[in-house]
Amino acid sequence: SYELTQPPSVSVSPGQTASITCSGDKLGEKYACWYQQKPGQSPVLVIYQNNKRPSGIPERFSGSNSGNTATLTISGTQPIDEADFYCQAWDISTVVFGGGTKLTVL
Amino acid sequence: EVQLLESGGGLIQPGGSLRLSCGAFGFSFRSNAMSWVRQAPGKGLEWVSGISGSGGSTYYPDSVKGRFTISRDNSKHTLFLQMNGLRADDTAVYYCAKAEDLATHGLDVWGQGTTVTVSS
Repeated sequence: SYELTQPPSVSVSPGQTASITCSGDKLGEKYACWYQQKPGQSPVLVIYQNNKRPSGIPERFSGSNSGNTATLTISGTQPIDEADFYCQAWDISTVVFGGGTKLTVL
Repeated sequence: EVQLLESGGGLIQPGGSLRLSCGAFGFSFRSNAMSWVRQAPGKGLEWVSGISGSGGSTYYPDSVKGRFTISRDNSKHTLFLQMNGLRADDTAVYYCAKAEDLATHGLDVWGQGTTVTVSS
């Protein structure tokens, strides 16, 4: 079965750029999306089709996907961005999630 | 307002069955694929089923295939998940979510979740 691998944790200072990676075999040939989940809340879609932002998602969130790696980038990270982030792709009629990355802003 | 409301969770003994429901509001239900995603306590997201807008196509991971059945009633704007043969590792918060297309658009609206606890 297809697997997506994320680092368990990423730390960033306020105002700096955070990058969260997601690796999978030929992931660049698929669409990747990203979800943000804050404690006690439901996940929120922040990037779909590799680099598109749903309505209401701040411009500081951006995405890319090439080769075997998709990347979520948060520019000018704010304390409110602290959350768990999950990548997701579609492979052979199944939805696949990465294991999640805890973003700490300190 | 676009909204999804899950119900039907609760405490169930191992081997038992449970049927979850998800009411959809504020969007064209039949035009959207739907999915169920679960999250065990302290763990990550796990997809457990998907269904096309018409209901003609359904999708499952190996972990639940043969035990879980997803269905929908487009006339009542409601999604269902029938869960049989429940095990302790099925304990989780179960979310329903919608997607314009499961393969390309991601899950753009999620419900608040309903908790399923499998324990004797």
